[in-house]
Amino acid sequence: DAKTTQPTSMDCAEGRAANLPCNHSTISGNEYVYWYRQIHSQGPQYIIHGLKNNETNEMASLIITEDRKSSTLILPHATLRDTAVYYCIVRANFGNEKLTFGTGTRLTIIP
Amino acid sequence: EAGVTQFPSHSVIEKGQTVTLRCDPISGHDNLYWYRRVMGKEIKFLLHFVKESKQDESGMPNNRFLAERTGGTYSTLKVQPAELEDSGVYFCASSQDRGFGAKNIQYFGAGTRLSVL
Repeated sequence: DAKTTQPTSMDCAEGRAANLPCNHSTISGNEYVYWYRQIHSQGPQYIIHGLKNNETNEMASLIITEDRKSSTLILPHATLRDTAVYYCIVRANFGNEKLTFGTGTRLTIIP
Repeated sequence: EAGVTQFPSHSVIEKGQTVTLRCDPISGHDNLYWYRRVMGKEIKFLLHFVKESKQDESGMPNNRFLAERTGGTYSTLKVQPAELEDSGVYFCASSQDRGFGAKNIQYFGAGTRLSVL
């Protein structure tokens, strides 16, 4: 699996958009970008994933650059409940399906 | 629909004892995964079942760990004998299918916190 690089921590004001970057410069053509988060004492929670097109769901938006070497997870209106560690993971969709978690970004939402 | 459930939520045992963790995947999910986070480290993959078959067990740390999924439903992870370094949180995840799209998203349980004293 390709490695990812994320900032260790970020702060965001409540109600503002939280933009979490991720670099995955060695991503392969068949690898998807997945985002999970872990809220304290809970299991990892799936957020969103994409291959090359931008994606949006009820939780977030995922913007992937045209060269696919980086992406940004956007939480449009952050709330205190969004405080968590966010993991950017690249994974082939078939074959080697394990998720490789890095250290993630600790996002703190400030009231 | 019930999510992935794990039992127990917390287990405290002494070094040398045996512990069995259980995971019930989401109903209809053929794929079941075990992960763990030991103190201060990242979440690491342990193994992957497709129905009752072990598809990938490359992350199993040693032969003190035994995972089973008889009948392709729930899974157990036994640690025998437990060592101090086995302490951590053990997560189970399941996905409906393999391949592309939404059916291969892995959904996680809340985990079992194992403390070996």
